[in-house]
Amino acid sequence: DTEVTQTPKHLVMGMTNKKSLKCEQHMGHRAMYWYKQKAKKPPELMFVYSYEKLSINESVPSRFSPECPNSSLLNLHLHALQPEDSALYLCASSQPGRKYNEKLFFGSGTQLSVL
Amino acid sequence: AQSVSQHNHHVILSEAASLELGCNYSYGGTVNLFWYVQYPGQHLQLLLKYFSGDPLVKGIKGFEAEFIKSKFSFNLRKPSVQWSDTAEYFCAVNRRTNAGKSTFGDGTTLTVKP
Repeated sequence: DTEVTQTPKHLVMGMTNKKSLKCEQHMGHRAMYWYKQKAKKPPELMFVYSYEKLSINESVPSRFSPECPNSSLLNLHLHALQPEDSALYLCASSQPGRKYNEKLFFGSGTQLSVL
Repeated sequence: AQSVSQHNHHVILSEAASLELGCNYSYGGTVNLFWYVQYPGQHLQLLLKYFSGDPLVKGIKGFEAEFIKSKFSFNLRKPSVQWSDTAEYFCAVNRRTNAGKSTFGDGTTLTVKP
């Protein structure tokens, strides 16, 4: 299994809603990532978890709250989002360590629209 | 902080034409270099990577890239493109000392006309 699975594929939410994005991988990878991608733009790193601990937070607003319940799962909790937060949210995983050099495996993403 | 520049935003080629997409990075230390591809409606996937050794690396689907350290470049090439190569191509770099933090270029949209 070389897949990173993200659910839901599409999400529409109002600015007062609370929702969660989910990501799952069974490759034994111990690093998991959230990226945000706007149309025709490169992915922008949001968070990195390494061995289930948050290791990088790229100054992301607190309305985005990541969670890593175990080594296979990664969640992104959303609350009080703004319309400009509408984007494709990508989850990725990799095996950390020099030997593996952080090749990323990406999921298909969740297309989020904030109304 | 490292940065990545992709010079070509949109490239249009006919089938069988040769392809070269430019990628330059700015970081003086040791880096890992990647090209990712995003086909229409599909997720990002790795095309090829350079960590060390032979600076000419070969990837999937006949793509190759050459790392030229003196020019801070990692250009992607393919001798003869196919219609199925139509996609968005992203160059990415991360530092050996902080490999969890990959920086992506703005991407190049390749359109191959049949």
